[in-house]
Amino acid sequence: GAGVSQTPSNKVTEKGKYVELRCDPISGHTALYWYRQSLGQGPEFLIYFQGTGAADDSGLPNDRFFAVRPEGSVSTLKIQRTERGDSAVYLCASSPTGVPNTEAFFGQGTRLTVV
Amino acid sequence: GENVEQHPSTLSVQEGDSAVIKCTYSDSASNYFPWYKQELGKGPQLIIDIRSNVGEKKDQRIAVTLNKTAKHFSLHITETQPEDSAVYFCAASILGQFYFGTGTSLTVIP
Repeated sequence: GAGVSQTPSNKVTEKGKYVELRCDPISGHTALYWYRQSLGQGPEFLIYFQGTGAADDSGLPNDRFFAVRPEGSVSTLKIQRTERGDSAVYLCASSPTGVPNTEAFFGQGTRLTVV
Repeated sequence: GENVEQHPSTLSVQEGDSAVIKCTYSDSASNYFPWYKQELGKGPQLIIDIRSNVGEKKDQRIAVTLNKTAKHFSLHITETQPEDSAVYFCAASILGQFYFGTGTSLTVIP
């Protein structure tokens, strides 16, 4: 079946602009995660949804970052007033159950470049 | 929060040899430990995982061991092949969050 899908695959934006990154999880998966990966580093946790609600948003670096999942499926990560330091690969993952600490499957990521 | 350390950062082995990657974690409440393989330009791919109530798990050429007392876990790849070349990440999961190591770049030399 289809895996986690992220769009766009690449996004170049100017400093100060607003961007939206989209994640389509595997159908039926209740948990959804956003991670950020800088070059040569492991993924860094941003936010975790169970259904429609953010179960844990402690990884969001500041109030310029916001994520939603209004119908418990597709999620959008929104970044306001982008800065060059926001440049990274943004990864989305989904997990099949509402039980924490179960397997998570990643999408291919969105490479964001802020110029 | 949880802190995961991973070693080595780079590893080169001859085709057919074994590769071992080691990780340690800090929070004894972590109870799920997946390993991911990431190829250039792609997202991490889950290759094997282990839960805290299990000491060892094997899937063909890949095995993972867990020592809860020492808070460390390891990935073992036997009979390595060139297509095993990639970056491997370990992770520890607690309360729904995944904490990742910094990755090991594995090169299998034909």
